[in-house]
Amino acid sequence: DTEVTQTPKHLVMGMTNKKSLKCEQHMGHRAMYWYKQKAKKPPELMFVYSYEKLSINESVPSRFSPECPNSSLLNLHLHALQPEDSALYLCASSRQGYTEAFFGQGTRLTVV
Amino acid sequence: GQNIDQPTEMTATEGAIVQINCTYQTSGFNGLFWYQQHAGEAPTFLSYNVLDGLEEKGRFSSFLSRSKGYSYLLLKELQMKDSASYLCAVDNNAGNMLTFGGGTRLMVKP
Repeated sequence: DTEVTQTPKHLVMGMTNKKSLKCEQHMGHRAMYWYKQKAKKPPELMFVYSYEKLSINESVPSRFSPECPNSSLLNLHLHALQPEDSALYLCASSRQGYTEAFFGQGTRLTVV
Repeated sequence: GQNIDQPTEMTATEGAIVQINCTYQTSGFNGLFWYQQHAGEAPTFLSYNVLDGLEEKGRFSSFLSRSKGYSYLLLKELQMKDSASYLCAVDNNAGNMLTFGGGTRLMVKP
């Protein structure tokens, strides 16, 4: 199984809503990532988890809250988002120490 | 800082060969990756170079020169389905993270 699965595929939320994005992999990878990608732009790193611990937070606003409940799961909790947060949110995973990242299909988020 | 440059757009003809260049200046280096991304889809891994030289994988090849901070992706026998964005990404040895270039949008025409 070389898949990274993300749910939901599409999400529309209001600025007062609370929602969560989910990511799952069963490749035994111990590094997991959240990226944000705007249209016609490259992915921008948000968070890195290494062995279920947050190792990198790229100065992301607190309205984005990551969580890694176990080695296979990664969540991104969303609260009080702004319309400019609308983007494709990509989850990825890799073997520790080797950064070939396998990407999920992404969640296309629209904030209204 | 990190600086990774690629051309924004390229156009090529079906059946031809195209070379997409990437230059980088990063604080560290632990390898360079090429990813393909079709519109609205996730990036998919194409190649990884950490030593100087050419890596060939079917119709795709990738070259690296560490001394020049330069890489290219060579696509041969272009097909319409190769129309996509091609992302150059550097592992700057800062611990499990890739820095992406802006991506090159390739359009393959009949």
